[in-house]
Amino acid sequence: NAGVTQTPKFRVLKTGQSMTLLCAQDMNHEYMYWYRQDPGMGLRLIHYSVGEGTTAKGEVPDGYNVSRLKKQNFLLGLESAAPSQTSVYFCASSYPRQGRYEQYFGPGTRLTVT
Amino acid sequence: RKEVEQDPGPFNVPEGATVAFNCTYSNSASQSFFWYRQDCRKEPKLLMSVYSSGNEDGRFTAQLNRASQYISLLIRDSKLSDSATYLCVVSDSGGYQKVTFGTGTKLQVIP
Repeated sequence: NAGVTQTPKFRVLKTGQSMTLLCAQDMNHEYMYWYRQDPGMGLRLIHYSVGEGTTAKGEVPDGYNVSRLKKQNFLLGLESAAPSQTSVYFCASSYPRQGRYEQYFGPGTRLTVT
Repeated sequence: RKEVEQDPGPFNVPEGATVAFNCTYSNSASQSFFWYRQDCRKEPKLLMSVYSSGNEDGRFTAQLNRASQYISLLIRDSKLSDSATYLCVVSDSGGYQKVTFGTGTKLQVIP
């Protein structure tokens, strides 16, 4: 049981390049999330999904797209990377436990855009 | 006003000490509350949910004060391994939609 995994762990992009971050979970969770974490800002929700085939915007969705074609995978895409997207990206998944959705995080992807 | 506010610290405490963190939230309709810990350059990990009546897990006690809109975390008998950043998390609907993370309080336990 690997929990939540993220690929890749590190990446350096040039401005304008594109890339896809992959998140996978083996806990059969319905809900999945993408966050970014910047110094002094806390984690901010980019997009989330409440089930296979459904996605929704979070707090900071601009410049990102997502897809949830399979329940266990949640992909985050950057179509044209900008230096402002330099950040640490965390994926999380959750399930309801006593009415609460406790989130389990992946190890993160450190992205630098030059 | 930030939706979730925490004192960034750092809190430097000796081993064995008791330390308490507070977190205030602005949305009175918030329904679910959590504490997570995050080690340096690692992912956040759930420490404990916070229930209305307060709850305890070993050396950790969490309390919720809805009237004053704050939650607290008390750590007794601090260990070196407790050194981390503690994140306060507030949700308005059970946790899967509008989830707001505080920026965290850094704790350093000193030998």
